[in-house]
Amino acid sequence: QQQVKQSPQSLIVQKGGISIINCAYENTAFDYFPWYQQFPGKGPALLIAIRPDVSEKKEGRFTISFNKSAKQFSLHIMDSQPGDSATYFCAASKKDNFNKFYFGSGTKLNVKP
Amino acid sequence: DSGVTQTPKHLITATGQRVTLRCSPRSGDLSVYWYQQSLDQGLQFLIQYYNGEERAKGNILERFSAQQFPDLHSELNLSSLELGDSALYFCASSVGLAGYYEQYFGPGTRLTVT
Repeated sequence: QQQVKQSPQSLIVQKGGISIINCAYENTAFDYFPWYQQFPGKGPALLIAIRPDVSEKKEGRFTISFNKSAKQFSLHIMDSQPGDSATYFCAASKKDNFNKFYFGSGTKLNVKP
Repeated sequence: DSGVTQTPKHLITATGQRVTLRCSPRSGDLSVYWYQQSLDQGLQFLIQYYNGEERAKGNILERFSAQQFPDLHSELNLSSLELGDSALYFCASSVGLAGYYEQYFGPGTRLTVT
C-alpha cells in the first residue's frame, strides 16, 4: 500500500513553462512534506519542504502548495529550465516518527529547450 | 558532492550470495538511513541508525541487516540474494535524529544480481 501517491509519472515541459507535480496522501498523521530532486547517477537531494501549518512555501522558482483538507501537495517549478530536468520525489513523514519517510514513486521531468 | 560516501559503486553477484554495502556519513552527522530504489517501486526506506543504535525500520527484508559502528560508518548486509534485490541502494545521513533534519544522500551502490 503506497502511502504517498505521486503523479504524473513523467512530464515534458517547454523551457520557460510551469512544471506541476502532484502528490496525495491518506494518513493525516503526516506532518512534514519534503521534495527531493535526483539527477541521473546521483542520489536525491532535498529541494524544498513544507509543514502543514502553512499553505504555500516558495524558494526561488520552486513553490510547494499544500492543501490540508484535500490531503494533497504539489510542486510548481516556474520558468522551467533544461537544467531542471531530473526526477522529483515527494515524501512525507509522521510527527511522532519523523525518522521514517514515505516516498512517492517519482516524476521524471524533461524540460525541452 | 553531498559528503556521504558509499562503496562499492557497482556490485554484480549471483543469486544466493551475500554482499556488504558500506556508507560513511558526512562529518558530524550521527544519523544514517538506508534506502532501496528500484524501477518498479521507487524509493523505499529500509532502516535508520542514530549514533550506533537502530531507531526506525521500514520495509527491510529479514535477509537484510545493517549496523552502525562506533566511527559512525554503516554497513548494509544483504544475504541469500534474489534477482529482485537488484536495485540502487542509497545511504543518507543527517545531523539529528528526527527526519526533518535534511538528509544528505550518497551516490548509491548499484547492485545487480544475476
